[in-house]
Amino acid sequence: GAVVSQHPSWVICKSGTSVKIECRSLDFQATTMFWYRQFPKQSLMLMATSNEGSKATYEQGVEKDKFLINHASLTLSTLTVTSAHPEDSSFYICSAPLRLAAADTQYFGPGTRLTVL
Amino acid sequence: AQTVTQSQPEMSVQEAETVTLSCTYDTSENNYYLFWYKQPPSRQMILVIRQEAYKQQNATENRFSVNFQKAAKSFSLKISDSQLGDTAMYFCAFMKHVGGAGNMLTFGGGTRLMVKP
Repeated sequence: GAVVSQHPSWVICKSGTSVKIECRSLDFQATTMFWYRQFPKQSLMLMATSNEGSKATYEQGVEKDKFLINHASLTLSTLTVTSAHPEDSSFYICSAPLRLAAADTQYFGPGTRLTVL
Repeated sequence: AQTVTQSQPEMSVQEAETVTLSCTYDTSENNYYLFWYKQPPSRQMILVIRQEAYKQQNATENRFSVNFQKAAKSFSLKISDSQLGDTAMYFCAFMKHVGGAGNMLTFGGGTRLMVKP
């Protein structure tokens, strides 16, 4: 099956620093990837759509200058949390879509737990 | 815009028994996909089952099956012969089938399922 990886799986940083999270599709290409944020015991909230070769599309209320997204290649998207603060602490998950047998499915990375001190 | 509603925040079932998780959705689209994803304590999102809206036949995957009622906009998940490893958060999700594979998922709020020995 399709595999999506994320790195790092967890990160602890000091307030004011920037953190980069990588999302890779390991065995397929993805011109689009999605970034979600999940708070404890809650559902996934879409933050932005990452587009290879063009600017990301952000959901309403998500600060584009705070959460920088770069889709550098057909297999890699990065999310950089700039000047992180404790309220940015959360679980971040990426997904990549794949069409198999004429049907579409989204495959998810294992997530990254960010803790900002 | 699409909405997905899961009316059961928590459910429990005895091992080997059958349980049904409910999901309703609202959309004006005619062509779409519906999914059930499982999120165990590891927080990795795992695809359980997928249903294409144009298919009248209900999808099945081993012990997992759905009851898809397009007119009623209902999409329930039945887990037969429940196992301890089924304990997880279950999310119902909607995805439009428009253009390529790069469409976003809209998630329900989730149902926490506990399988008791």
